Parts: sequence; structure tokens; C-alpha cells
Amino acid sequence: DGGITQSPKYLFRKEGQNVTLSCEQNLNHDAMYWYRQDPGQGLRLIYYSQIVNDFQKGDIAEGYSVSREKKESFPLTVTSAQKNPTAFYLCASSIYGLNEAFFGQGTRLTVV
Amino acid sequence: QKEVEQNSGPLSVPEGAIASLNCTYSDRVSQSFFWYRQYSGKSPELIMSIYSNGDKEDGRFTAQLNKASQYVSLLIRDSQPSDSATYLCAVTSSYAGNNRKLIWGLGTSLAVNP
Repeated sequence: DGGITQSPKYLFRKEGQNVTLSCEQNLNHDAMYWYRQDPGQGLRLIYYSQIVNDFQKGDIAEGYSVSREKKESFPLTVTSAQKNPTAFYLCASSIYGLNEAFFGQGTRLTVV
Repeated sequence: QKEVEQNSGPLSVPEGAIASLNCTYSDRVSQSFFWYRQYSGKSPELIMSIYSNGDKEDGRFTAQLNKASQYVSLLIRDSQPSDSATYLCAVTSSYAGNNRKLIWGLGTSLAVNP
């Protein structure tokens, strides 16, 4: 079954802690993306990567970090520097250059 | 600031009717256009992509693109209650030379009433 898998589905974090959200794809896509979705604000790009070992900041990268050591994996770390981390986080992938993106099921992060 | 605009709705249509969703964009050089469906609490699902002017049909869905007027629309024929969702419009936009990224609209909420 080809697709994008995000884990966990729900995540609770205490203030001041770093957490890492997992994203794995077996679609053989080159490009991977992390978005954040808040009510009434639409999708905002956090980071994206078009090839292994390379990634670029999106529109709201502050307080987040990523790595792309394998083509299949693009984990996102939400650091304690992120002021308002409670949100729905979406990972997506696409064939390089086409931007037809396919999404994982999302991770809902809540800071408690 | 390159933008994609959609009417937030809610758009309410009776079951069996045609639902018409519209999207306008500001970047004249945009080349790729996408419609996603997002059910409440779920992730977006790609339902249509269109790259050239005119109509593209896929089952009950028709995407229409008019680059001169900078709008793209989605028609849903024979609307069903299961079509009730938020529909997101996404457009590729150029930046920093050859790089492209997706610009997203805020979505239109569609309610299909039985």
C-alpha cells in the first residue's frame, strides 16, 4: 500500500519540551513538505525538501527544525522556541517539480 | 504578496444539484492548479489538477481554468451529502528563479442537504 504515514495521530506536549513528528513515504517522491493548519488560517508551509540532505525554510520556520537523511523520511521537530505550537501538522510529498502533493493523515499537537 | 482567494461560504446546495466553487489567484505566471477536499478533522485529499485553459472532467467533478481572467473553478454534479467538506484551491507560484511552491486558499465550506 503506497502512501504517506504520519505518527503519532495525536500528541500532547508540556511547555518547554521538544517533540518530533514522524513522516514516512513509500511513493518514491523526491519532494516532501511540512505544513501547519490552524482554524481560519489555511495551510502554512513550515519546511520543504526537494532532495535528500537538503531542505529550505518555508513561511513559518521559526521554532521548527527538520532533517532529510533518507528519501523516505522527513521528521519535524517542534522546539520549545515555537511560541504557539498547538496545531494540526500535515506532511505531504510530491514528484519533484510537479507540486501535485499528497498528504499524510496529520498529527494533532496539543501543548498542555 | 501572491494570493489565492476563495469564498469561505458556507455554500449550501440541495442533494442532486450542481455545486460551483470558485478561486481567483494573483500570480499571472502560475502554471498548475489543484483542488483538494478536506473533511473536518482530516487531511486534504487531491481531487483534481488542471494545467491548461479549458475544462477537465473526472467523474462528477469538472475543473475549469481561465488563465486570462486568473480564475479556476470546480463543479460538482449530482452533489451528494458525502461531498460536504471544505474545498481548498492551491496554485503554484514562482519565486526565487525556477523554484515553485504552492499557494493555498483558505477554502470554501460546502454543505449538501439531503
